[in-house]
Amino acid sequence: AQRVTQPEKLLSVFKGAPVELKCNYSYSGSPELFWYVQYSRQRLQLLLRHISRESIKGFTADLNKGETSFHLKKPFAQEEDSAMYYCALSGNGAGSYQLTFGKGTKLSVIP
Amino acid sequence: DTGVSQDPRHKITKRGQNVTFRCDPISEHNRLYWYRQTLGQGPEFLTYFQNEAQLEKSRLLSNRFSAERPKGSFSTLEIQRTEQGDSAMYLCASSSRTRREQFFGPGTRLTVL
Repeated sequence: AQRVTQPEKLLSVFKGAPVELKCNYSYSGSPELFWYVQYSRQRLQLLLRHISRESIKGFTADLNKGETSFHLKKPFAQEEDSAMYYCALSGNGAGSYQLTFGKGTKLSVIP
Repeated sequence: DTGVSQDPRHKITKRGQNVTFRCDPISEHNRLYWYRQTLGQGPEFLTYFQNEAQLEKSRLLSNRFSAERPKGSFSTLEIQRTEQGDSAMYLCASSSRTRREQFFGPGTRLTVL
């Protein structure tokens, strides 16, 4: 069974401080990992996917298969980063298109 | 607007009533998904369509729930004989033939009294 664990429900950091949102997964194979973000009163939106290895809004995430982790990092937090962040996993087999989400971490950036 | 749309945005109903939600995916997307999200939880998968075929259903989808995508475009999710435990945000998402990332709609918030 596939599972995504986000151990922190709430993370508070000061503006300008580094941010790391943790995500661990369980999957018997090579999954595809995503980070989604939900700003206040907005819909869930894709932040980044591990395959593209890109940086969006200063955030990066590296897939560590040995530790089965996909932590989200940003060197300097901004107030506009305050939001709910969800880590999600998709299988890589044919038909494995559903996303399995973690419970989410609420990031609060203190000015 | 080329994003995923859902209707209605809010629905309040009494226990035992039937409700139906609609989702319009991004036009060129052939896959459509339904999720349910309750307070403090991430979205949980309910079911998914590829074109008009319903290919996967979660165990969460009891026999009171039915979903359709008759022409491979919009989809409906019906809940019969609603229960208070059905109160949740129902999310729809779509994805293209070639990429796995899903694009979400704003959701329909259901409250069962």
